[in-house]
Amino acid sequence: GNSVTQMEGPVTLSEEAFLTINCTYTATGYPSLFWYVQYPGEGLQLLLKATKADDKGSNKGFEATYRKETTSFHLEKGSVQVSDSAVYFCALSTDSSASKIIFGSGTRLSIRP
Amino acid sequence: GAVVSQHPSRVICKSGTSVKIECRSLDFQATTMFWYRQFPKQSLMLMATSNEGSKATYEQGVEKDKFLINHASLTLSTLTVTSAHPEDSSFYICSGTTRDIQYFGAGTRLSVL
Repeated sequence: GNSVTQMEGPVTLSEEAFLTINCTYTATGYPSLFWYVQYPGEGLQLLLKATKADDKGSNKGFEATYRKETTSFHLEKGSVQVSDSAVYFCALSTDSSASKIIFGSGTRLSIRP
Repeated sequence: GAVVSQHPSRVICKSGTSVKIECRSLDFQATTMFWYRQFPKQSLMLMATSNEGSKATYEQGVEKDKFLINHASLTLSTLTVTSAHPEDSSFYICSGTTRDIQYFGAGTRLSVL
């Protein structure tokens, strides 16, 4: 079946450090891939997405590239800030309306000033 | 982006009582809303798809008589956990879709004593 595996947290970094959160997936067909972020006390928000192989999603300095050959969608940011502290969820959807989303278990990121 | 409000954010109840959780789309109409459940350090698991004006569609393994869903209007869906037991303690999250993007509520933490 379809599934998403992401790096276990928590991840703690110093401000301005480079961030990578690994995500791999298993899916039939050609899924769309997403990263969601959940800030403390708020709902999940879509951070970025990619809908086909080699697409790069980007937003707020974060990037992730849809790698079909390695079935991966790793999240990266060159220089993290304290305000990036949150829980990050990798996810996929195999339907065009993104109504059925399969989530990874989430990775908690904490950034030290 | 669109806003989904979920209430209450936290509820503690005695075993055997019923608990209602509300999910409202504040600035868009949601023909379809989704209810998820999240156990500690695990993925969000889709419980059911709530359709305005019709019966909800439940995922395999989810008891429809246990988790009653009502979607009476385009901006409100409710989840009632009936005769709650300690094993129902969890984090419940709703979402609404507009323009093929899911917007999530902040979640409700249910603790059954």
